[in-house]
Amino acid sequence: GNSVTQMEGPVTLSEEAFLTINCTYTATGYPSLFWYVQYPGEGLQLLLKATKADDKGSNKGFEATYRKETTSFHLEKGSVQVSDSAVYFCALGLNTGGFKTIFGAGTRLFVKA
Amino acid sequence: GAVVSQHPSWVICKSGTSVKIECRSLDFQATTMFWYRQFPKQSLMLMATSNEGSKATYEQGVEKDKFLINHASLTLSTLTVTSAHPEDSSFYICSARDEGIWQYFGPGTRLTVL
Repeated sequence: GNSVTQMEGPVTLSEEAFLTINCTYTATGYPSLFWYVQYPGEGLQLLLKATKADDKGSNKGFEATYRKETTSFHLEKGSVQVSDSAVYFCALGLNTGGFKTIFGAGTRLFVKA
Repeated sequence: GAVVSQHPSWVICKSGTSVKIECRSLDFQATTMFWYRQFPKQSLMLMATSNEGSKATYEQGVEKDKFLINHASLTLSTLTVTSAHPEDSSFYICSARDEGIWQYFGPGTRLTVL
């Protein structure tokens, strides 16, 4: 079936540290891949996306590359800030008789000053 | 960018009452809307998909008679939690899709059933 697996949290980092949140997927067909961010008490915001293999999505210093050979879409940021503290969801989108988004479990990130 | 609103943002109700949550696409026409449920510290679980003017498609395990979804126009979908009970307390999030493939999420509605 279709699924998304992302690393368990919480992840705790100091400000300016390097961030990696791993995400792998299983899908039939050719999914689009997304990272969403959820700040406390809020809904989801699209952070970045990639629609085909080798595409790199980037936004606000975050980036992720669609790796078909390893079925991965790891999220990275070179220098995190306290304001990046949130929950990050990896997701895949499939258009098979109707478009659906399947979410990973989410990874909570805490950034300490 | 595309904006999706939800109303109310939070609601507290007594057990046995019904609650209606509205989801609106403010600056685009949403051919498809989705309703998700999120328990504390968990991921989003898709409840149902609705297309304007047709019946919603519910995910396995979601009670159709419990969670009534109406998608009466291209900018409005409603979720009614009927005869709510404490176990229905959750964060409900809608999303809307235009003719493209991107989903735009609403800010969520926190439901607390006493």
